[in-house]
This record gives sequence, C-alpha cells and structure tokens, in this order.
Amino acid sequence: EIVLTQSPGTLSLSPGERATLSCRASQSVTSSYLAWYQQKPGQAPRLLIYGASARATGIPDRFSGSGSGTDFTLSISRLEPEDFAVYYCQHYGSSPYTFGQGTNLEIK
Amino acid sequence: QVQLVESGGGVVQPGRSLRLSCAASGFTFSSYGMHWVRQAPGKGLEWVTFIWSDGSNKYYADSVKGRFTISRDNSKNTLYLQMNSLRAEDTAVYYCAREIQNYVRALDYWGQGTLVTVSS
Repeated sequence: EIVLTQSPGTLSLSPGERATLSCRASQSVTSSYLAWYQQKPGQAPRLLIYGASARATGIPDRFSGSGSGTDFTLSISRLEPEDFAVYYCQHYGSSPYTFGQGTNLEIK
Repeated sequence: QVQLVESGGGVVQPGRSLRLSCAASGFTFSSYGMHWVRQAPGKGLEWVTFIWSDGSNKYYADSVKGRFTISRDNSKNTLYLQMNSLRAEDTAVYYCAREIQNYVRALDYWGQGTLVTVSS
C-alpha cells in the first residue's frame, strides 16, 4: 500500500500570496497517477489536478501541479479568498487508491 | 449535467448491515468505473472501494475487505455498497464518485454524501 504524506498540516497565508503544498509517497506512483482535491466545509471534494499536472475541467490556471516518482506539489499562484480550504492528494495507479491526510490552507 | 445522488444512510447498531445506493444521471453510467469514499466526522478522506465499468473487477481497502461489497446495475444506472458487520469506526459520510475516464481513476464527480452512524 502506498502511503501519502502531505505537508505542511496547516498553511497560513494571506490572499494574493503563493501557496505550495507537498505530497510525498512511500513508493513511486505509477505513471504519475496522482490527483489533488479541494474540500470546503460541508461540501464534497472537488477534483483540481490529475495525472500530477493536468487541470480538471473548469479549474482556474492559478492552480498547477508538478512532480513525479515520490514527490508531488500543488501550487496556487495567487490566493483568492475562495481558495482557503483543505487539500488532499490521492494516488490511483494501483489499489488501494489511498489519500493523504490533508493540508488545511487557512487565512492568515 | 452529471449527477450522483446517494441514499440509504442512517443509524445502525454495531454488527448490523446497511445498503447504500448511488443513483447516476447525466452520463453513460455503464462506461465509467465508480468509487466509494468515506469521511469520518472531522477526519480526512478514506478511499473504500472501486468497481470497473462492467462490474468485472472490484477493489477494496483493507479496512472493509470481507465486510463490504460493491456492485452496480447498469440497467438502472445505480451503484451499491452493501455493508455488513458494521463497526463504530465505519461511522462516516459515504460519497460515491465517478472516475474521470475509463482506466483513469481520479474522481471527477462526487455525490453530496450520505451519513452512516454505527451506534448502539
């Protein structure tokens, strides 16, 4: 089973700043089958990035993903007020398709 | 538009069973693999199970293997999760979600979730 470790646990930033979230896998993720999701309180998660770097439909270009192997990054270039939420990474190359524990992006 | 609507949640005693349903619309259900993901109160996301578009293969998290069964009825555009021998730690909101495309198992559409509470 691939274990995904996200860091930091909490990230405190101000609107307009750049956010960098990390996701480290315990073993190499097949074919960069790595996704990022955003979840706001009381809502279902929303897919942001899949294939490590492809933006899902309707996702603003301020969101970008990068990485391969065991190290992946989600970047948000200029934080908007609606971006403050919890972010999860997930691998889907082989079962079980585990999630990371999440990064809480909060307003500073 | 794509819609996924879960139902069947509720309060159930430990050791009992419950079946969740997920009604799909707005897309060709039989062409997509489907997931169940759960989230315990105040906790993170936990992937539970996945079924191929034709139902021929199924995968499970270790935490539910042997107790939960995923299935689908493509003629009714409905996904199911049969949960047996329920435990307190199964208490969570259960989401159904669709894979983004065949063999690409990122989850692009999610239902609103249904709450399962296991308590005596």
